Amino acid sequence: EDQVTQSPEALRLQEGESSSLNCSYTVSGLRGLFWYRQDPGKGPEFLFTLYSAGEEKEKERLKATLTKKESFLHITAPKPEDSATYLCAVQGVADYKLSFGAGTTVTVRA
Amino acid sequence: EAQVTQNPRYLITVTGKKLTVTCSQNMNHEYMSWYRQDPGLGLRQIYYSMNVEVTDKGDVPEGYKVSRKEKRNFPLILESPSPNQTSLYFCASSASSGITGELFFGEGSRLTVL
Repeated sequence: EDQVTQSPEALRLQEGESSSLNCSYTVSGLRGLFWYRQDPGKGPEFLFTLYSAGEEKEKERLKATLTKKESFLHITAPKPEDSATYLCAVQGVADYKLSFGAGTTVTVRA
Repeated sequence: EAQVTQNPRYLITVTGKKLTVTCSQNMNHEYMSWYRQDPGLGLRQIYYSMNVEVTDKGDVPEGYKVSRKEKRNFPLILESPSPNQTSLYFCASSASSGITGELFFGEGSRLTVL
C-alpha cells in the first residue's frame, strides 16, 4: 500500500524566512508525485507534478524537488499570502489511486 | 469558467437516511474522483472513475456508492449514512487519462450525520 508522510505538521515563519517542507513516500513504482496548496474552507489547488528523481519544478517562491524516497517543497522568502496547508500525494504505476499525506500547515507572519 | 460544482455544500442528516452528493464538471474531463478529508488523516480517496461506466474503489469505499452515467457527473451516494461518515467531502476531476494526479477540486461538501 502506498504511504505518504509529511513533516512538520505545522510551520510558523517570519516573512522572508526561507524553509522547507518534507514529503516521504513509499510506492511500488512511481507514476507521479504531486504538490497541492489548500486554503481554509477551499478545495486543494494543484501546484506541481514530479515524475522522477532529480526533477525540480518552480513557481514564484515555491520550488519542489524529488528523490527516490522523498520530496521537498522549498519556500523562498515567504510572504503572508503563502500561508496555507501544503499537501503531497503520490500515484503508483499499479493503479490510478492517489494517496495523500496529512499536510503541513504553513503560517507566515508579517 | 472551469469548475467542479458540488451540492449540497453543507448538510446535516440523521443515521440511515439515504443521501446523494452531486458533482458536476464543465471541463470535459475523463477522470473524476471523490475524497473525504478528516483532521489528522488528510485526504482519502473513496472512489474514482476513469470514464463513463468505469469506476473503481479507492482506499475507503465502504458505505459509499458511485455511478458515472454521463461524463460530466459523478454523484456520491450514501445508502445508509452513519456518524463515522461525518466529514468534509471533495469531488475532483482531471484532464489526463494517464497522470491523473493533476486534479481540479470542487469547493467541498461538509456532511454531518447525527
